[in-house]
Amino acid sequence: QVQLQESGPGLVKPSETLSLTCAVSSYSISSGYYWDWIRQPPGKGLEWIGSIYHSGSTFYNPSLKSQVTISVDTSKNQFSLKLSSLTAEDTAMYYCARRVRSGHYFDYWGQGTLVTVSS
Amino acid sequence: EIVLTQSPGTLSLSPGERATLSCRASQSVSSTYLAWYQQKPGQAPRLLIYGASSRATGIPDRFSGSGSGTDFTLTISRLEPEDFAVYYCQQYSSSPLTFGGGTKVEIK
Repeated sequence: QVQLQESGPGLVKPSETLSLTCAVSSYSISSGYYWDWIRQPPGKGLEWIGSIYHSGSTFYNPSLKSQVTISVDTSKNQFSLKLSSLTAEDTAMYYCARRVRSGHYFDYWGQGTLVTVSS
Repeated sequence: EIVLTQSPGTLSLSPGERATLSCRASQSVSSTYLAWYQQKPGQAPRLLIYGASSRATGIPDRFSGSGSGTDFTLTISRLEPEDFAVYYCQQYSSSPLTFGGGTKVEIK
């Protein structure tokens, strides 16, 4: 059973940079699939942030592209999100997920980590 | 960007009833790249349907998906107590990947 687990700070100050990591177990990131970040503001819907392919290619939502960097560390079997210039609007539950290439759907999700942007 | 509009926003039904949820796209979406998810409070979304009509592993056959082009439907044939949740459609027929706003299925 593939498992994903997000980790990172729960509270970040405005204008700072958020760093989150997603540790993957029971599957090797370098074997395939896309590895994505999705967020959900409290009480609202889902927003795709971006993804990294096992080869290292990255894909970002144009609405967030200037703020986002996604990277992968195959030696630790994890991938990471950096989101810069934070505002209160970036307060959300952040999920990592595995995306199937053939249909571009998410078959495994992490449990999510709540990030609050506040001074 | 393809905008997915889900309707109704809230569906109030009783256990045993049939639920029909709609997902309408602002432009044509390949059926291959249309998925549905269920989300319960405090949980991550769970994949129900991919390729517009294929059930994910372990999903009961009371859940079915249909549609093509710009109109897609998720049907729950007979609601069980555990089916009351929020449902999202998602597409990646063209970039960026987008989700619908969700339909909440609540107990009447």
